[in-house]
Amino acid sequence: SQQGEEDPQALSIQEGENATMNCSYKTSINNLQWYRQNSGRGLVHLILIRSNEREKHSGRLRVTLDTSKKSSSLLITASRAADTASYFCATDAIDLNRDDKIIFGKGTRLHILP
Amino acid sequence: AAGVIQSPRHLIKEKRETATLKCYPIPRHDTVYWYQQGPGQDPQFLISFYEKMQSDKGSIPDRFSAQQFSDYHSELNMSSLELGDSALYFCASSLGGEPQHFGDGTRLSIL
Repeated sequence: SQQGEEDPQALSIQEGENATMNCSYKTSINNLQWYRQNSGRGLVHLILIRSNEREKHSGRLRVTLDTSKKSSSLLITASRAADTASYFCATDAIDLNRDDKIIFGKGTRLHILP
Repeated sequence: AAGVIQSPRHLIKEKRETATLKCYPIPRHDTVYWYQQGPGQDPQFLISFYEKMQSDKGSIPDRFSAQQFSDYHSELNMSSLELGDSALYFCASSLGGEPQHFGDGTRLSIL
Protein backbone atom coordinates (compact mmCIF):
# COMPACT_ATOMS: atom_id res chain seq x y z
CA SER A 1 0.00 0.00 0.00
CA GLN A 2 1.09 3.57 -0.49
CA GLN A 3 3.54 4.81 2.10
CA GLY A 4 2.88 8.49 1.70
CA GLU A 5 -0.49 10.12 1.26
CA GLU A 6 -0.75 13.80 0.53
CA ASP A 7 -3.62 16.11 1.15
CA PRO A 8 -5.13 18.04 -0.36
CA GLN A 9 -4.89 16.35 -3.74
CA ALA A 10 -5.33 19.72 -5.40
CA LEU A 11 -4.98 23.24 -4.10
CA SER A 12 -5.66 26.57 -5.78
CA ILE A 13 -4.64 29.79 -4.04
CA GLN A 14 -4.07 33.40 -4.96
CA GLU A 15 -0.57 34.59 -5.66
CA GLY A 16 0.98 35.92 -2.47
CA GLU A 17 -0.92 33.60 -0.17
CA ASN A 18 0.67 30.75 1.74
CA ALA A 19 0.18 27.17 0.61
CA THR A 20 0.18 24.26 3.03
CA MET A 21 0.37 20.66 1.93
CA ASN A 22 0.28 17.67 4.24
CA CYS A 23 1.66 14.19 4.00
CA SER A 24 1.04 11.13 6.12
CA TYR A 25 2.97 7.91 6.09
CA LYS A 26 2.63 4.51 7.66
CA THR A 27 5.95 3.04 8.71
CA SER A 28 8.96 4.29 10.62
CA ILE A 29 11.34 6.37 8.55
CA ASN A 30 14.91 7.62 8.48
CA ASN A 31 13.97 10.77 6.65
CA LEU A 32 11.23 12.43 4.65
CA GLN A 33 11.73 14.46 1.54
CA TRP A 34 9.64 16.81 -0.50
CA TYR A 35 9.91 16.97 -4.26
CA ARG A 36 8.41 19.27 -6.82
CA GLN A 37 7.40 18.31 -10.33
CA ASN A 38 6.36 20.63 -13.08
CA SER A 39 3.91 19.06 -15.50
CA GLY A 40 5.54 16.14 -17.29
CA ARG A 41 8.97 17.12 -16.09
CA GLY A 42 11.53 15.68 -13.73
CA LEU A 43 11.38 15.65 -9.96
CA VAL A 44 13.28 18.40 -8.20
CA HIS A 45 14.42 17.77 -4.65
CA LEU A 46 13.27 20.57 -2.36
CA ILE A 47 14.12 19.63 1.18
CA LEU A 48 14.97 16.66 3.39
CA ILE A 49 14.04 16.39 7.02
CA ARG A 50 15.48 13.66 9.18
CA SER A 51 13.45 11.69 11.67
CA ASN A 52 15.13 13.45 14.61
CA GLU A 53 14.26 16.89 13.27
CA ARG A 54 10.95 18.67 13.80
CA GLU A 55 11.21 21.65 11.52
CA LYS A 56 13.37 22.80 8.68
CA HIS A 57 13.48 25.94 6.55
CA SER A 58 14.78 26.62 3.09
CA GLY A 59 13.99 30.00 1.60
CA ARG A 60 10.21 30.29 1.36
CA LEU A 61 9.79 26.63 2.29
CA ARG A 62 9.07 25.37 5.77
CA VAL A 63 8.76 21.68 6.51
CA THR A 64 7.59 20.13 9.73
CA LEU A 65 7.73 16.52 10.78
CA ASP A 66 5.72 14.85 13.52
CA THR A 67 6.94 11.29 13.85
CA SER A 68 4.38 10.51 16.56
CA LYS A 69 1.60 11.27 14.10
CA LYS A 70 3.59 10.05 11.11
CA SER A 71 2.89 13.26 9.26
CA SER A 72 4.68 16.14 7.62
CA SER A 73 3.66 19.47 6.21
CA LEU A 74 5.17 21.68 3.55
CA LEU A 75 4.45 25.37 3.76
CA ILE A 76 5.25 27.67 0.86
CA THR A 77 5.04 31.29 1.90
CA ALA A 78 4.28 34.24 -0.36
CA SER A 79 3.40 31.97 -3.26
CA ARG A 80 4.31 32.87 -6.82
CA ALA A 81 2.92 31.80 -10.16
CA ALA A 82 6.11 29.82 -10.72
CA ASP A 83 5.25 27.65 -7.71
CA THR A 84 2.49 26.03 -9.74
CA ALA A 85 3.49 22.36 -9.80
CA SER A 86 2.84 19.02 -8.16
CA TYR A 87 4.47 18.42 -4.82
CA PHE A 88 5.29 14.95 -3.56
CA CYS A 89 6.47 13.76 -0.23
CA ALA A 90 8.72 10.72 -0.25
CA THR A 91 9.95 8.53 2.54
CA ASP A 92 12.45 5.79 3.02
CA ALA A 93 10.86 3.06 5.08
CA ILE A 94 13.23 1.36 7.46
CA ASP A 95 10.68 -1.23 8.52
CA LEU A 96 10.61 -2.58 4.98
CA ASN A 97 14.28 -3.45 5.36
CA ARG A 98 14.91 -1.83 2.02
CA ASP A 99 16.52 1.43 2.90
CA ASP A 100 17.88 2.38 -0.47
CA LYS A 101 14.65 3.34 -2.19
CA ILE A 102 12.10 6.03 -1.49
CA ILE A 103 8.36 5.74 -1.70
CA PHE A 104 6.35 8.59 -3.07
CA GLY A 105 2.95 9.80 -2.01
CA LYS A 106 0.31 10.66 -4.55
CA GLY A 107 1.16 14.35 -4.64
CA THR A 108 -0.64 17.64 -4.31
CA ARG A 109 -1.30 19.66 -7.44
CA LEU A 110 -0.76 23.28 -6.51
CA HIS A 111 -2.12 26.00 -8.76
CA ILE A 112 -1.24 29.60 -8.05
CA LEU A 113 -3.81 31.99 -9.43
CA PRO A 114 -2.58 35.38 -10.70
CA ALA B 1 26.87 21.09 -11.83
CA ALA B 2 26.37 17.86 -13.73
CA GLY B 3 22.94 16.31 -13.43
CA VAL B 4 21.43 12.94 -14.20
CA ILE B 5 21.11 12.51 -17.94
CA GLN B 6 18.46 10.32 -19.48
CA SER B 7 18.00 9.38 -23.08
CA PRO B 8 15.99 9.48 -25.14
CA ARG B 9 13.66 12.20 -23.86
CA HIS B 10 10.77 10.83 -25.86
CA LEU B 11 10.19 7.39 -27.33
CA ILE B 12 7.29 6.04 -29.32
CA LYS B 13 6.87 2.30 -29.73
CA GLU B 14 4.19 -0.11 -30.79
CA LYS B 15 2.79 -2.98 -28.78
CA ARG B 16 5.05 -6.01 -28.50
CA GLU B 17 8.14 -4.01 -29.46
CA THR B 18 11.17 -3.54 -27.23
CA ALA B 19 12.66 -0.36 -25.79
CA THR B 20 15.91 0.55 -24.08
CA LEU B 21 16.17 3.57 -21.84
CA LYS B 22 19.52 4.93 -20.75
CA CYS B 23 20.62 6.78 -17.66
CA TYR B 24 23.90 8.50 -16.90
CA PRO B 25 24.15 9.24 -13.19
CA ILE B 26 25.92 12.14 -11.59
CA PRO B 27 29.66 11.38 -11.51
CA ARG B 28 30.80 9.58 -8.36
CA HIS B 29 27.26 8.70 -7.34
CA ASP B 30 27.21 5.06 -6.30
CA THR B 31 23.50 4.23 -6.56
CA VAL B 32 21.09 4.39 -9.48
CA TYR B 33 17.33 4.06 -9.22
CA TRP B 34 14.60 3.62 -11.81
CA TYR B 35 11.03 4.83 -11.31
CA GLN B 36 7.90 4.64 -13.43
CA GLN B 37 5.25 7.36 -13.31
CA GLY B 38 1.98 6.67 -15.09
CA PRO B 39 -0.32 9.53 -16.16
CA GLY B 40 -1.56 11.34 -13.09
CA GLN B 41 0.19 8.86 -10.80
CA ASP B 42 2.99 9.09 -8.32
CA PRO B 43 6.39 7.67 -9.22
CA GLN B 44 6.73 3.97 -8.47
CA PHE B 45 10.07 2.41 -7.67
CA LEU B 46 11.21 -0.23 -10.15
CA ILE B 47 14.77 -1.23 -9.37
CA SER B 48 18.06 0.08 -8.03
CA PHE B 49 21.76 -0.65 -8.36
CA TYR B 50 24.55 -0.02 -5.90
CA GLU B 51 28.06 -0.18 -7.28
CA LYS B 52 26.80 -2.00 -10.37
CA MET B 53 25.01 -4.69 -8.42
CA GLN B 54 21.24 -4.87 -8.14
CA SER B 55 20.39 -3.67 -4.67
CA ASP B 56 16.61 -3.58 -4.54
CA LYS B 57 13.64 -4.47 -6.66
CA GLY B 58 10.19 -2.97 -6.65
CA SER B 59 7.18 -3.36 -8.88
CA ILE B 60 9.13 -4.14 -12.01
CA PRO B 61 7.44 -6.48 -14.48
CA ASP B 62 9.26 -9.62 -15.56
CA ARG B 63 9.27 -8.17 -19.08
CA PHE B 64 11.64 -5.47 -17.87
CA SER B 65 15.27 -5.86 -16.96
CA ALA B 66 17.99 -3.44 -16.04
CA GLN B 67 21.70 -3.36 -15.53
CA GLN B 68 24.45 -0.99 -14.57
CA PHE B 69 27.63 -0.98 -16.57
CA SER B 70 31.28 -0.50 -15.65
CA ASP B 71 31.05 3.22 -16.46
CA TYR B 72 28.07 3.41 -14.04
CA HIS B 73 25.51 4.21 -16.68
CA SER B 74 22.36 2.12 -16.45
CA GLU B 75 19.93 0.79 -19.00
CA LEU B 76 16.32 -0.26 -18.55
CA ASN B 77 15.29 -2.84 -21.13
CA MET B 78 11.62 -3.33 -21.79
CA SER B 79 10.23 -6.10 -23.97
CA SER B 80 6.79 -7.13 -25.22
CA LEU B 81 5.61 -3.60 -24.62
CA GLU B 82 2.00 -3.10 -23.61
CA LEU B 83 -0.23 -0.05 -23.76
CA GLY B 84 -0.02 0.20 -19.97
CA ASP B 85 3.71 0.72 -20.16
CA SER B 86 3.12 4.24 -21.45
CA ALA B 87 4.61 6.40 -18.73
CA LEU B 88 7.41 8.68 -17.68
CA TYR B 89 10.46 6.71 -16.65
CA PHE B 90 12.80 8.44 -14.27
CA CYS B 91 16.31 7.61 -13.32
CA ALA B 92 17.83 8.98 -10.13
CA SER B 93 21.25 8.73 -8.57
CA SER B 94 22.62 9.31 -5.12
CA LEU B 95 25.78 9.04 -3.08
CA GLY B 96 25.58 7.36 0.29
CA GLY B 97 22.46 8.39 2.18
CA GLU B 98 22.13 11.73 0.44
CA PRO B 99 18.96 12.73 -1.46
CA GLN B 100 18.35 11.25 -4.85
CA HIS B 101 18.81 13.50 -7.85
CA PHE B 102 16.40 12.85 -10.68
CA GLY B 103 16.82 13.11 -14.40
CA ASP B 104 14.20 14.76 -16.60
CA GLY B 105 12.78 11.39 -17.52
CA THR B 106 11.98 9.51 -20.70
CA ARG B 107 8.41 9.74 -21.91
CA LEU B 108 7.48 6.39 -23.42
CA SER B 109 4.36 6.20 -25.52
CA ILE B 110 3.01 2.87 -26.71
CA LEU B 111 0.72 2.97 -29.73
